[in-house]
Amino acid sequence: AQTVTQSQPEMSVQEAETVTLSCTYDTSENNYYLFWYKQPPSRQMILVIRQEAYKQQNATENRFSVNFQKAAKSFSLKISDSQLGDTAMYFCAFSRTGGGADGLTFGKGTHLIIQP
Amino acid sequence: DTGVSQDPRHKITKRGQNVTFRCDPISEHNRLYWYRQTLGQGPEFLTYFQNEAQLEKSRLLSDRFSAERPKGSFSTLEIQRTEQGDSAMYLCASSGINNEQFFGPGTRLTVL
Repeated sequence: AQTVTQSQPEMSVQEAETVTLSCTYDTSENNYYLFWYKQPPSRQMILVIRQEAYKQQNATENRFSVNFQKAAKSFSLKISDSQLGDTAMYFCAFSRTGGGADGLTFGKGTHLIIQP
Repeated sequence: DTGVSQDPRHKITKRGQNVTFRCDPISEHNRLYWYRQTLGQGPEFLTYFQNEAQLEKSRLLSDRFSAERPKGSFSTLEIQRTEQGDSAMYLCASSGINNEQFFGPGTRLTVL
């Protein structure tokens, strides 16, 4: 069974700063997929970024990028030039199949607060 | 709105009652998932359908829980003889050919 651990229950930064959210996972699979989801207050969960384990290049989506360290089983999310709208719960998630043919395994989440 | 929809958004029930939730996925998506999220936790996978076939069930899905997707479109999740421990947000998601799961707004269940 897979496990996903997010060790930062809450983080707070000033607007425009860069923030890094940590995630570690445990699996015996060699090929898998990792995700960061954002859950704004009282709104639905949306996908922020996705990484395939077989790809060495770290995924990037605009201000969001990941640092994927396969040997260390680490998958951190960096948010550059943070904005007030980035305030949300952020969940790291794991899938054996890319999110299609199995359910996602989520961490407990990090509550990110962007201060004006 | 062409996203995933869930009904009702909130449900308050008394212990021992049965409840049923509905999920309407994005129309072209053939996969549908149910998750449960309790306060302060990440979502936990319950079950998943490909078209009308229920292909995977978590051990969290006790005998009191049943899910259906009779025509491969909408899905229902029924909880029989509700317990206070069933109080949670029940999330539905759907995915298509690129496997990205799109989540609905959830149904918040409170069992008194």
